This record gives sequence, structure tokens and C-alpha cells, in this order.
Amino acid sequence: GQQVMQIPQYQHVQEGEDFTTYCNSSTTLSNIQWYKQRPGGHPVFLIQLVKSGEVKKQKRLTFQFGEAKKNSSLHITATQTTDVGTYFCANPRGGQNFVFGPGTRLSVLP
Amino acid sequence: DAGITQSPRHKVTETGTPVTLRCHQTENHRYMYWYRQDPGHGLRLIHYSYGVKDTDKGEVSDGYSVSRSKTEDFLLTLESATSSQTSVYFCAISADSSNQPQHFGDGTRLSIL
Repeated sequence: GQQVMQIPQYQHVQEGEDFTTYCNSSTTLSNIQWYKQRPGGHPVFLIQLVKSGEVKKQKRLTFQFGEAKKNSSLHITATQTTDVGTYFCANPRGGQNFVFGPGTRLSVLP
Repeated sequence: DAGITQSPRHKVTETGTPVTLRCHQTENHRYMYWYRQDPGHGLRLIHYSYGVKDTDKGEVSDGYSVSRSKTEDFLLTLESATSSQTSVYFCAISADSSNQPQHFGDGTRLSIL
């Protein structure tokens, strides 16, 4: 079945450093979504990418969708302690639901 | 946040007992989902619904059943709970199956002893 891989599984950074997480699929995706889950919280939708090569920005967050629509990345510039959490990518499967990647857990040391 | 309420928020029960978790939404969204979240596994889909009385299985549906008799309510039942079903359960809703965000409830922490 359709699988989504995310790397790295964990990332520890010093506050102010940049952070990137990657999402890779074995098949071409119609779109991809990114979510953030704070410790003890629930996943919260960040963004959706649809077009090949699409790049979207939200303040210090930059999201990219690969040209082949098989991978995506989330880059955070100058991390802050508020960026702590787990970042998930999710892609549609069968037109009825989404498959979530295993997530990348980000720790930011002050 | 979207109007999603999960109940109970916490539950401790014994192996072999039935358990029902409730998800209530006020958004009138068509799609509703139940996930479980365990360390190292991310979010795994248990069951989902695409309308009243229309449900289908997800990747980890064994041992779980669901019902949706009204648009706003989606129930998840563990007929005979086992310790392997100890987890955090999230309900999510979406206006569209594959092109709209999913909005999650606050979760139910279920412990089965």
C-alpha cells in the first residue's frame, strides 16, 4: 500500500538554528498536507501543497512539494522554543482518507 | 479551533470490558475519522465515515467498531478491550475526503489494565 516516510525521526536543535524535515512517498501524490502537534496536544493543520514544485511560506516556515510530487519538505528558519513539537506530513489515499507519516519530533534547546 | 468534542477525555478500564468513545462535531462536516496514536507509530486510521451510516475500515480496524447515526456524532466501540488498545484516540473531521484539512479533537487517553 501507499506509504509515507519521514526523516529524521528526531531532531534536536539549538534555538536559532534551522530545521528541515522531509517526507517521501513511494507513489505520486495528488497533494500533501502538513500538521504540527505540540506535546500533549492534537495535530493542527499547517498547509496543503498541490502543484508540482510548489513552494509556500508561513513566516519562518517554508514548505516545498517536489517536482515529481513524490516528496515534500518543511524548513523552519531560526527555530524558536515555540516550534517544539512533532511535524507530520499526510497524503490522500483512495480518495477517502489520509495516510500520515510517522512524524519528526523537534526539540529546541534555549 | 473547529467544534469537535471528544468524550471522555480520560478513561481507565479493565481488559474484557466494552468501551465507547464519542466524537461530536458542530461543523456539519461530512467526513469523520478515528485514529489511534502510539509512540513510534504516528497516527493510524481505525475507521472513518463519509456520511450517516456510511463507514469503512482503516488500517488498524480489528477489535473496533463504529457507528454514525447522525451527522454530528461518530462513536468508536471496543467490544472487549485488550491491553494492546491502550492508546490515545483522536477524532478528526473534514469537509472533503482528500482536498481539505482534517481538524482534530483534543483526544481521549484510554488505559486498559
